[in-house]
Amino acid sequence: NAGVMQNPRHLVRRRGQEARLRCSPMKGHSHVYWYRQLPEEGLKFMVYLQKENIIDESGMPKERFSAEFPKEGPSILRIQQVVRGDSAAYFCASSPGGPYQETQYFGPGTRLLVL
Amino acid sequence: DQQVKQNSPSLSVQEGRISILNCDYTNSMFDYFLWYKKYPAEGPTFLISISSIKDKNEDGRFTVFLNKSAKHLSLHIVPSQPGDSAVYFCAANGFASGAGSYQLTFGKGTKLSVIP
Repeated sequence: NAGVMQNPRHLVRRRGQEARLRCSPMKGHSHVYWYRQLPEEGLKFMVYLQKENIIDESGMPKERFSAEFPKEGPSILRIQQVVRGDSAAYFCASSPGGPYQETQYFGPGTRLLVL
Repeated sequence: DQQVKQNSPSLSVQEGRISILNCDYTNSMFDYFLWYKKYPAEGPTFLISISSIKDKNEDGRFTVFLNKSAKHLSLHIVPSQPGDSAVYFCAANGFASGAGSYQLTFGKGTKLSVIP
């Protein structure tokens, strides 16, 4: 039973480029969450999605960041025109039901480095 | 404004002894709490959880205690093993300030080192 999968594991971008991070939830999970971790910090919630719907994007910066979870395929976190401050580890998690008192299972993360 | 605080950045414990990791929270809307363990370059791994209707939950060597009146929880690991060396994150589930849904709010983590 495969866990949450994320790719790429490492991504290097130059300032101004676009970064696309992919997440495939655990089998049977239809709820996906994205988190960002800066060095020496905890994980910070960004966005919560169900298939084809963004449920809560209150933690996501209003500009340059977007997320989707299409009917078919993985969830995508997209960062346009990356800046050095976007360098961080981005984690995806999934759960079988919604976030109320549900355990979220995390993927290995994508480490984004912006040069 | 940190709603979940882990005030000890690091902790060293001798193998075989008890490890106690602490976590405090400020938001009384939090009603479900989780501990995750994280190795470098990996994602967080779920360890154990507790609902606010309980004050203790045990799973093998891991026990979580919740004191709602003090808004405090702790994770006990006994006996500690070298493989337990990792960063431990406390997370609280509920409507955080400004949230649009139930969210997990994480502390900054405590790095546990178990010395053989």
